[in-house]
Amino acid sequence: AQTVTQSQPEMSVQEAETVTLSCTYDTSESDYYLFWYKQPPSRQMILVIRQEAYKQQNATENRFSVNFQKAAKSFSLKISDSQLGDAAMYFCAFSGTYKYIFGTGTRLKVLA
Amino acid sequence: DTGVSQDPRHKITKRGQNVTFRCDPISEHNRLYWYRQTLGQGPEFLTYFQNEAQLEKSRLLSDRFSAERPKGSFSTLEIQRTEQGDSAMYLCASSQAQGVAYNEQFFGPGTRLTVL
Repeated sequence: AQTVTQSQPEMSVQEAETVTLSCTYDTSESDYYLFWYKQPPSRQMILVIRQEAYKQQNATENRFSVNFQKAAKSFSLKISDSQLGDAAMYFCAFSGTYKYIFGTGTRLKVLA
Repeated sequence: DTGVSQDPRHKITKRGQNVTFRCDPISEHNRLYWYRQTLGQGPEFLTYFQNEAQLEKSRLLSDRFSAERPKGSFSTLEIQRTEQGDSAMYLCASSQAQGVAYNEQFFGPGTRLTVL
């Protein structure tokens, strides 16, 4: 069975600084997808970034980028130039063909 | 199209009562998912539909839970004889089965259930 582990329950970052959120996963599949979702307080989850396992190049979306290490089964999220609006729960998710397996989340606080 | 919608947003019920939640997916999405999220945890998969066919049910989905997706459009999740342990946020998501956004799930705002 696949598992996703987020070992940082909470992280803090100063506004305009950079922060990295960690995620590791376990699977025997060779073809899969990895995602980072953001869940602001009392608001719905939105996709931050996705990575296809067959792609060696790390995905980037504006200030968000990932460090995908397939052999190590690691998928960390880097947020550059942090903004107050980045404060939220961040969930790492694994997907094979359809359903997601989520980690327990990391609460990100952004300090002004 | 404004995304995935869920109704109601909040539901308070007494133990033993039945409740039903509705999810309206993005119109062109043929895949629909239900997840349950308890406080401090990530969402846990409950069930999955492709069009009107329910293709997988998690072991978390006891006999008191039933989900339907008539005609492959909206979906309902019913919980019979609610228990306090059913208190959670119930999330619905939808996705395309193919295309550029394949496997990317779009989530609704959730229905928060409180069982007294």
